[in-house]
This record gives sequence, C-alpha cells and structure tokens, in this order.
Amino acid sequence: GAVVSQHPSWVICKSGTSVKIECRSLDFQATTMFWYRQFPKQSLMLMATSNEGSKATYEQGVEKDKFLINHASLTLSTLTVTSAHPEDSSFYICSALTSPYNEQFFGPGTRLTVL
Amino acid sequence: AQTVTQSQPEMSVQEAETVTLSCTYDTSESNYYLFWYKQPPSRQMILVIRQEAYKQQNATENRFSVNFQKAAKSFSLKISDSQLGDTAMYFCAFMKHVTGTASKLTFGTGTRLQVTL
Repeated sequence: GAVVSQHPSWVICKSGTSVKIECRSLDFQATTMFWYRQFPKQSLMLMATSNEGSKATYEQGVEKDKFLINHASLTLSTLTVTSAHPEDSSFYICSALTSPYNEQFFGPGTRLTVL
Repeated sequence: AQTVTQSQPEMSVQEAETVTLSCTYDTSESNYYLFWYKQPPSRQMILVIRQEAYKQQNATENRFSVNFQKAAKSFSLKISDSQLGDTAMYFCAFMKHVTGTASKLTFGTGTRLQVTL
C-alpha cells in the first residue's frame, strides 16, 4: 500500500521559535496533501489542503501566517509553525491523496511540544 | 456542509465476540464516499474499510463489514471475531466525490473500542 512518512516524529521547542514538519509520500506522487491537528482524545481537525505548485487552502480559523505550508514537489509538503507558543502543542498529522482512487493515506504524525 | 455523528464515545467487547459501531451523516450530496479509519495507541491512522455511495452492496474486508443505509444516512461498522489488536479509536469519515477535484475528509468524533479477554 501507499506509504507516507513524517519527520520528525516528535519535537520539543522553546516558545517563540519556528518548527518545520515534513510530510513525504514515499512510493507515489501526491498533488494534494492535507494537514490535520489532533488534540488528546479528540478527532482530527483539518487545518489546510496543500496543493503542489500552488498556495495552500486554509480552513476557517487557521492562521495562514502562523502555519506556513509549502508543497514544492509531488512527494513533499512541509508545515512550519512560526513563533510557536505552548497552545500550539499538539499532534500534527499529514495525509496524501492518491489518484484516481481518491483515498487518503496518513503519516504517523508529529508530536509538537512547545515549552 | 457535511456532518458526521458517532454517538458512542466508548464501547467494550470481549475477544471473539462481535461489535457494531454506529455512524450517521448528513449531506445533500448524491455522490460520495464513506470510510472507517482505525487509530490504535500508536496514533497511526489506518483505513479499515471504504464504501462508495453509488454501490448498494455493503463493503466487506475480512472480519470488518459495513451496513450502509443510504436513505437513512447510516453507515455502521461490524467487527466480527474481535481481537485484542482491534483495540483502538475508530473514526467514521465522509468525503464527497467531485471529478477532478481533491476532496477533504469530514471526521466524526470517534468511538473508543476496548477489546477484553
């Protein structure tokens, strides 16, 4: 099956710093990737849709200047949390969309802790 | 906008028994997909089963099957011969089908399933 990786799997950073999370589709090309945020014991909340070669589409309430998304190639999308604060601490999950089956394969997630 | 409702926050089943997880959804779309995802303690999201709305036949994958009632907008998951490894959070999800456009998933709130000895 399709494999999606994320790096790093966990990261701890100081308040005010920026953190970049990578999402890679390892054995297929993905023109579209999605970024989710998940708080403990809650469902996945879609943050943005990442499209290769174009600007990301953000969900209502998600600050585009704080959560920068770059989808520079068909196998890589990155999420940068800028000027991170403790409230940004969460589990971030990416997924990549396969075509033509319209199925999302998920990465293993990244746990971000902001001190 | 689509909504997905999972009314059972937690469920428990004994090993080898059968359990059914409920899911209802609301949409005005006629062409869509429905999914059940499993999230074990590792937090890796795993696709369990998928159903295309235009198909009347219920999807099955080994011990997992669905009861898709389109008119009632119901999509329940049945797990037969439950195993300890089935312990996980289960999410029901909806995705509308639009040709040539990437569609996003709408998730339910999840059901935490515990399989016991």
